[in-house]
Amino acid sequence: AAGVIQSPRHLIKEKRETATLKCYPIPRHDTVYWYQQGPGQDPQFLISFYEKMQSDKGSIPDRFSAQQFSDYHSELNMSSLELGDSALYFCASSTRQNQATNEKLFFGSGTQLSVL
Amino acid sequence: AQKVTQAQTEISVVEKEDVTLDCVYETRDTTYYLFWYKQPPSGELVFLIRRNSFDEQNEISGRYSWNFQKSTSSFNFTITASQVVDSAVYFCALSEGNSGYSTLTFGKGTMLLVSP
Repeated sequence: AAGVIQSPRHLIKEKRETATLKCYPIPRHDTVYWYQQGPGQDPQFLISFYEKMQSDKGSIPDRFSAQQFSDYHSELNMSSLELGDSALYFCASSTRQNQATNEKLFFGSGTQLSVL
Repeated sequence: AQKVTQAQTEISVVEKEDVTLDCVYETRDTTYYLFWYKQPPSGELVFLIRRNSFDEQNEISGRYSWNFQKSTSSFNFTITASQVVDSAVYFCALSEGNSGYSTLTFGKGTMLLVSP
């Protein structure tokens, strides 16, 4: 079965550079979530989208922005990167169309961002 | 505000031992969902279980079992006859609300080390 696809798998950037992370949800999933997991930390919610509209916002820095496109894939754009942005970034997807039976929130394998 | 506490930061066991990972949660909602995820050294988040607040039945899946007790706000996870492949960080998580997929709040995780 198709899973959540994230690209790239690894990304190395310098301070003050920009980065774009991509997430392709499971087919027919309409909701995308982004989480950030620092080294040795638990995942922290950043932002979510439902039907291309932002639905919830967590601890996402102003330097970051995200959007969901018409094909439901999502991109997380990160500017003026700082050393502290080094983390594993997860994307998850779900659907609101079938809440009664859809019991799993699927995560992608993550993008490991290293800021040097 | 919701909160998840995993008091055990690290547990070490020898293969074939049984081990229980504790999870205590706080929420003001009457409708909420509890999750367990496994994060092996490769980094991905693997879904293990999702349980809603109205279903207090314990669940068993192979060597895994979960004990949900609303009276103590706990959702503990037991691995029977542990194996080396069980070595991972295990996260307990909570989401509030009817959607079941509002943002997840994770605990800090418990690292389980199973030695041969």
